[in-house]
Amino acid sequence: ETGVTQSPTHLIKTRGQQVTLRCSSQSGHNTVSWYQQALGQGPQFIFQYYREEENGRGNFPPRFSGLQFPNYSSELNVNALELDDSALYLCASSLRSGGYTDTQYFGPGTRLTVL
Amino acid sequence: GQQVMQIPQYQHVQEGEDFTTYCNSSTTLSNIQWYKQRPGGHPVFLIQLVKSGEVKKQKRLTFQFGEAKKNSSLHITATQTTDVGTYFCAANQGAQKLVFGQGTRLTINP
Repeated sequence: ETGVTQSPTHLIKTRGQQVTLRCSSQSGHNTVSWYQQALGQGPQFIFQYYREEENGRGNFPPRFSGLQFPNYSSELNVNALELDDSALYLCASSLRSGGYTDTQYFGPGTRLTVL
Repeated sequence: GQQVMQIPQYQHVQEGEDFTTYCNSSTTLSNIQWYKQRPGGHPVFLIQLVKSGEVKKQKRLTFQFGEAKKNSSLHITATQTTDVGTYFCAANQGAQKLVFGQGTRLTINP
């Protein structure tokens, strides 16, 4: 069983640029959630993807968008980067089974720095 | 939206001392999850509590869910240096969204 993987590990961008972060879910999982974790804070829910569609969104602007692919891997795209977008971006996969959110398994994260 | 408040923000203990972090909400929670994040690492799921008054133990860790399902606690008995990290509680807001507390950062003096 392979765990959640994310790429790249670190990334440096400048204001106004666009970035794409990637996530491969744990084998057997069909749901991917993305979180933003600023330094010293708890993770903030960005959105969740299930069956290749956005399935729940947090308080993030439309310039945060995503995709889920048939193999359940996922991308997070952020356009028009701002300095405040600097954070650790976490991907978490789970197996949708109905009811409460199922146990989420987090990847190692991508550290994004916006200069 | 639903918020979970976590206290204390920081806790420094001597190795062997006990540690407790508390999670509180003004609204009734459907569940509470606890995660541990080591320095430089990512959150790792520890446990989920669902029932009112539920108590679960994992070795030296004891997790409680309040009777009113508005608060929860994590207690570590006789801390060890391997317990260092930030402990987060999280609760569902809807089926998809997990709302995390701010975390309690535990440091230990060996």
